[in-house]
Amino acid sequence: RKEVEQDPGPFNVPEGATVAFNCTYSNSASQSFFWYRQDCRKEPKLLMSVYSSGNEDGRFTAQLNRASQYISLLIRDSKLSDSATYLCVVTRGGSYIPTFGRGTSLIVHP
Amino acid sequence: DTAVSQTPKYLVTQMGNDKSIKCEQNLGHDTMYWYKQDSKKFLKIMFSYNNKELIINETVPNRFSPKSPDKAHLNLHINSLELGDSAVYFCASSQELGGVGNTIYFGEGSWLTVV
Repeated sequence: RKEVEQDPGPFNVPEGATVAFNCTYSNSASQSFFWYRQDCRKEPKLLMSVYSSGNEDGRFTAQLNRASQYISLLIRDSKLSDSATYLCVVTRGGSYIPTFGRGTSLIVHP
Repeated sequence: DTAVSQTPKYLVTQMGNDKSIKCEQNLGHDTMYWYKQDSKKFLKIMFSYNNKELIINETVPNRFSPKSPDKAHLNLHINSLELGDSAVYFCASSQELGGVGNTIYFGEGSWLTVV
């Protein structure tokens, strides 16, 4: 099993839709969790950290489920500009090495 | 000012050559990284340095040698380039290694093509 697994997609949704991505991780000792966004031919950029109690930033909601070892990202009212690849990042327990998932591709169409 | 800058952005070279990629960060961070993103878009950590000291080496071939002259710089030298080395190499930095809310800032990437 890979350390961090994501459905590569693509998720193809109309503007205004709500879409959710999951990411599973294998190391139960993992410490920190993040979602990054990567646009085509660009560098990854932090979208949001994921906290144990869940957190929200505008249209984006992130949640952590330690028991089932997954994190999720919910995007409400999708915009064309949300089209990108969303990368799940988990830091390994003990070593704190940031490990990236393969990413989930989102395409928002008019 | 670009927070994490790396050069060159594009590099096309022949098999067997030796090449270097330079990286600098002006964020005052203690930790720097090199990541490799292959054609399948998988972003894999190669090395990490903390205050000029190597702390992560993810079973990267010996042909890859990082060098950190100071904590603001982390360069990557690659000997005897192979076709499989073709990828995008991202330099990155963070205040420290790991930790909640510890954002990793990436450079724009160096697109290496080995022919």
